[in-house]
Amino acid sequence: ETGVTQTPRHLVMGMTNKKSLKCEQHLGHNAMYWYKQSAKKPLELMFVYNFKEQTENNSVPSRFSPECPNSSHLFLHLHTLQPEDSALYLCASSQDFLKNEQFFGPGTRLTVL
Amino acid sequence: DAKTTQPNSMESNEEEPVHLPCNHSTISGTDYIHWYRQLPSQGPEYVIHGLTSNVNNRMASLAIAEDRKSSTLILHRATLRDAAVYYCILRDVGGGSNYKLTFGKGTLLTVNP
Repeated sequence: ETGVTQTPRHLVMGMTNKKSLKCEQHLGHNAMYWYKQSAKKPLELMFVYNFKEQTENNSVPSRFSPECPNSSHLFLHLHTLQPEDSALYLCASSQDFLKNEQFFGPGTRLTVL
Repeated sequence: DAKTTQPNSMESNEEEPVHLPCNHSTISGTDYIHWYRQLPSQGPEYVIHGLTSNVNNRMASLAIAEDRKSSTLILHRATLRDAAVYYCILRDVGGGSNYKLTFGKGTLLTVNP
């Protein structure tokens, strides 16, 4: 138990669906992150939020839309995804986005049909 | 970006020490050496980090070469629970451009009973 929870743990969606992934951290951290882990590829950083402000968008397609309403919650809104977007989506948090170690959630396994 | 080189896989026996190597010949003076590991079906977890001196914590030890171009993560007594992918990552925590955690392929450690 890392103090970072993600829901749902598994999600299957069609290409025309709209869904959202949720991440919550109970650690009092100020920075939160979304990563994507595709099969046989390294983890890729998608977005960084620091004190609720987006500080990094790693050239992510607009069909992925992040939202950070407060420092404890992070969402990833999904719409019109492609089958190649199927992957494990991981959320992480850290005290400070520059220095401290990151704590990861268990991930959401997404399958796009 | 500074890069690291790790063996694709290593094997160990339970209760024996494990030495996981990492080469980082282009490391800069402000890059810290971080190690994370990812157990099956889980998100990555922080293991240890260091700058110049060797470091110890409850999980592992980190031995850093004098010229900082290589390092070794040491698990003193491997257990079955240590079977995971181990990532060696350079990270500039001084606010430079290399502040992100950039994951490579890592080393898959297999622990035999």
